[in-house]
Amino acid sequence: EIVMTQSPATLSVSPGERATLSCRASQSVWSKLAWYQQKVGQAPRLLMFGASTRATGIPARFSGSGSGTEFTLTIDRLQSEDSAIYYCQQYNNWPLTFGQGIRVEIK
Amino acid sequence: EVQLLESGGGLIQPGGSLRLSCAASGFTFNNFSMAWVRQPPGTGLEWVSVISIHGTNTYYADSVKGRFTISRDNSKNTLSLRMDSLRVEDTAVYYCAKLFGLRYFDHWGQGILVTVSS
Repeated sequence: EIVMTQSPATLSVSPGERATLSCRASQSVWSKLAWYQQKVGQAPRLLMFGASTRATGIPARFSGSGSGTEFTLTIDRLQSEDSAIYYCQQYNNWPLTFGQGIRVEIK
Repeated sequence: EVQLLESGGGLIQPGGSLRLSCAASGFTFNNFSMAWVRQPPGTGLEWVSVISIHGTNTYYADSVKGRFTISRDNSKNTLSLRMDSLRVEDTAVYYCAKLFGLRYFDHWGQGILVTVSS
């Protein structure tokens, strides 16, 4: 099973600044990585797939990068509505596995 | 608009059984694999089970293998999860999710709570 490790656990960022979230895979997943956003009391929402392709309706402030074992989700010009937990998920190998999540807080 | 609506959750004693259902609309149900993903209280996401387009292939997390059974009715656009021999650690919000290929989850239901407790 591929273990996905996300860091940091919590990120506190001021509005208008950039948030950088990391996700590491225990072995290469090529570019088969997705990111999800989960706001309090809501279901997760797909943000990104293929490591860097935004899902439908996701603002361009969100960008993804990386391949192999190291991945980054960047949120530019952070807004209050971006307060959420962000999960990465690999789909290169079964079972599909998620990271433990990064909580993004707005200062 | 894709809609996934779960039902059937609730409080159940350890060792009991429960059946979750998910009513799908807004897309061609029999063109997509479907899944159940769960989230224990205050923790992260765990994939539970996946079923292929025609139900021919099913996949289960080790934690539920032999106890849970996923199924689908393409004539009714419905996904189901039969949960037997429930354990306290099965307590979670269960999400029905549409899969893109057998890859990532591109749409999610609102989730339904299953509580296993005596």
